Amino acid sequence: LAKTTQPISMDSYEGQEVNITCSHNNIATNDYITWYQQFPSQGPRFIIQGYKTKVTNEVASLFIPADRKSSTLSLPRVSLSDTAVYYCLVGGFSGGSYIPTFGRGTSLIVHP
Amino acid sequence: DGGITQSPKYLFRKEGQNVTLSCEQNLNHDAMYWYRQDPGQGLRLIYYSQIVNDFQKGDIAEGYSVSREKKESFPLTVTSAQKNPTAFYLCASSSTGGDYYEQYFGPGTRLTVT
Repeated sequence: LAKTTQPISMDSYEGQEVNITCSHNNIATNDYITWYQQFPSQGPRFIIQGYKTKVTNEVASLFIPADRKSSTLSLPRVSLSDTAVYYCLVGGFSGGSYIPTFGRGTSLIVHP
Repeated sequence: DGGITQSPKYLFRKEGQNVTLSCEQNLNHDAMYWYRQDPGQGLRLIYYSQIVNDFQKGDIAEGYSVSREKKESFPLTVTSAQKNPTAFYLCASSSTGGDYYEQYFGPGTRLTVT
């Protein structure tokens, strides 16, 4: 299973764009990249998923370079409510079953 | 509304007692998962099940047991053999179809054992 590396924490201010980069050097050809958001004492929530280039939804954008060895989650104009932990997951198939692995994630704190 | 429910939200037990955490989903998902989360840590997989009457150990299965008698239900028992059971427990489910990668999580159960 591909290992991911993310910054432990990040700080930002309301209204700014936040970019969180995840490294996954040993990503496999058929691995997808998925991001989750978790608030304290809640279960994670799916944000976005992609394979290559750029994916955008109503919440975030995901940028994946051609070599796919990293990915960047972009949160436009963050607010205080975006303070959360963000997890990057890659691949996860083992023996025909999808078994995602959550690392420690990136703790984002948005300041007023 | 479709979703996953976990009960209770908070649970207190004495050492040496087994305790069962409930997880129910009405999303018609085949796959269900149990995770454990300790303060400041990510989620660690305890058990998972891809189909009724079948389940597999995750990374930290020792001291835990599960059953999957119905598609909707995946209860987790924390046994007295679990050395450090105090933690936040999360249940999740997902499709095994095209959107398999999107897991839906319950609100969690915070277990405290003293």
